Amino acid sequence: QLQLQESGPGLGKPSETLSLTCTVSGGSISSTTYYWGWIRQPPGKGLEWIGTIYYSGSTFYNPSLKSRVTISVDTSRNQFSLKLSSVTAADTAVYYCARLYGYSYGYSDYWGQGTLVTVSS
Amino acid sequence: DIQMTQSPSSLSASVGDRVTITCRASQSIYKYLNWYQQKPGKAPNLLIHAASSLQSGVPSRFSGSGSGTDFTLTISSLQPEDFATYYCQQSYSTPPTFGQGTKVETK
Repeated sequence: QLQLQESGPGLGKPSETLSLTCTVSGGSISSTTYYWGWIRQPPGKGLEWIGTIYYSGSTFYNPSLKSRVTISVDTSRNQFSLKLSSVTAADTAVYYCARLYGYSYGYSDYWGQGTLVTVSS
Repeated sequence: DIQMTQSPSSLSASVGDRVTITCRASQSIYKYLNWYQQKPGKAPNLLIHAASSLQSGVPSRFSGSGSGTDFTLTISSLQPEDFATYYCQQSYSTPPTFGQGTKVETK
């Protein structure tokens, strides 16, 4: 059974860089069928796609966040990571990693449990 | 970006009721429409993809229909475990976008 697990600091200060890692178990991140993405949800609000990466390293970002986002992949560790720079309180959210089927903005059939990141001074 | 609008934003229903949620896209997305269920404190769970394809393991009381700009999620007979928030998502163009959610509450 495929599992995804987010990890990283739960608290950050304004202007800093948020860093999260997603560890994939029960399947290979190098599968040619799937993409791997980050999606976030501010408390009490809806879902926002941040970006996606393919095992080859190709990346696809939401234009609204593109200037601040970097997603990378480490196939040897079966992990992919998110960096979001210059964070503000508006970046406070539950961050989910997910598997996307077929293409960079396909549906997400497996999700991590999510990790709450709070940006506060 | 393609805007996704769900209606209603919330509804009250009883166990056994037939529940219908609507999702409208700001432009045609053909059948590139997915539905998720989210319970408090949990990640979203994929119910339906490609407008009407039931994800493996999802009960058959869930069904989806529609194409173009108008889509529907139907729960044929609401069960206690179905009280949750439901989101539609378009996967026709990037960035993929979600509806604002429909909360199904107990009457």
